[in-house]
Amino acid sequence: ETGVTQSPTHLIKTRGQQVTLRCSSQSGHNTVSWYQQALGQGPQFIFQYYREEENGRGNFPPRFSGLQFPNYSSELNVNALELDDSALYLCASSLVSEGYNEQFFGPGTRLTVL
Amino acid sequence: LAKTTQPISMDSYEGQEVNITCSHNNIATNDYITWYQQFPSQGPRFIIQGYKTKVTNEVASLFIPADRKSSTLSLPRVSLSDTAVYYCLVGDFLNTGGFKTIFGAGTRLFVKA
Repeated sequence: ETGVTQSPTHLIKTRGQQVTLRCSSQSGHNTVSWYQQALGQGPQFIFQYYREEENGRGNFPPRFSGLQFPNYSSELNVNALELDDSALYLCASSLVSEGYNEQFFGPGTRLTVL
Repeated sequence: LAKTTQPISMDSYEGQEVNITCSHNNIATNDYITWYQQFPSQGPRFIIQGYKTKVTNEVASLFIPADRKSSTLSLPRVSLSDTAVYYCLVGDFLNTGGFKTIFGAGTRLFVKA
């Protein structure tokens, strides 16, 4: 158990809808990252939040957005869902310090877009 | 951002040492190398991280040559429960200019009895 929780576990949406996924970071961690993992592939970095500010973004369109709250919980919002958005969405929390950054991953949210 | 290349799959037997090599030719000065393990329907789990030379912890060793263009994860005496996907990851964990990282496609390790 990493102490990182995600909700919901599974979700089914239709094309064009919007979705919000939630993550609760491990206690004391100041950074949260979100990843998309398609079936059979490695996780793809979406973005990272550090102290409530976006601190790096992968190759994802603006319809992927996020928030980090003062209690270090986080949300991933995806607008105008497309079929290719079907994937496992992972969040990972960490305490960034020089030279060391172990990310603790949650179990993920499985999103299916029909 | 450095891309990583790993073997797609490897087979081993219980009790053997397994070495998985990752290539990252374009690694940047500030990039660290991290390895994760992932079981089906679970999030990745941290194994080990290093910058150069050799790092060892209670579950694995990480060997990084001087040019840092590759790294090797060494798992001593694997067991059936080590059957999983192993990812090599490079990223600027000092967050200079914003955090970015790339997971490779991973190596599927299958340990047989």
